[in-house]
Amino acid sequence: AQSVTQLDSQVPVFEEAPVELRCNYSSSVSVYLFWYVQYPNQGLQLLLKYLSGSTLVESINGFEAEFNKSQTSFHLRKPSVHISDTAEYFCAVRMNSGYSTLTFGKGTMLLVSP
Amino acid sequence: DTAVSQTPKYLVTQMGNDKSIKCEQNLGHDTMYWYKQDSKKFLKIMFSYNNKELIINETVPNRFSPKSPDKAHLNLHINSLELGDSAVYFCASSQEDRGTAGELFFGEGSRLTVL
Repeated sequence: AQSVTQLDSQVPVFEEAPVELRCNYSSSVSVYLFWYVQYPNQGLQLLLKYLSGSTLVESINGFEAEFNKSQTSFHLRKPSVHISDTAEYFCAVRMNSGYSTLTFGKGTMLLVSP
Repeated sequence: DTAVSQTPKYLVTQMGNDKSIKCEQNLGHDTMYWYKQDSKKFLKIMFSYNNKELIINETVPNRFSPKSPDKAHLNLHINSLELGDSAVYFCASSQEDRGTAGELFFGEGSRLTVL
């Protein structure tokens, strides 16, 4: 079985500041890792994912995440946030073999203020 | 075109009533899911269907019954609604292949309020 820990339930930050949202996972086998974003009153959308290969993955809107196997982490970063980045961010993991479902963390609310 | 669509988006009802939420996906995916998101935003899987067959049935009360008439539809029927059923219910779909790694595509959610 796998599990995901998002240590911060809320991260307040000023516009144009850098941000890091932390995600740690636990699994006895190799995994795929995902970050989803949920804007207010909307469904979840995939932000980025790590399947294999380069450990640094990027999204089209400036976010990036780095897979660190030794630290079992997949932290999400952005060098300069916008007001429009205010949303709930979910880290998720699933086993990369056999049938398994996505296990989500409890989410981190990113609050960007002017 | 909406990839995963759910209806209704909002549902307000009295305790004890029976209600249904419908979900359709036009992505050609084989697997569909129902997730429940509580007031603290925690997402919990309820059911998973693959090609109309039930694959996952988490610890969910028997009052919840999913039905998949075909692989593009997964409906959720809830009997004898209780206050604790108030939540946002998300439908999702996925396709198992190496490129997507089973990435989930979510609907917009159906907010159920039980009074």
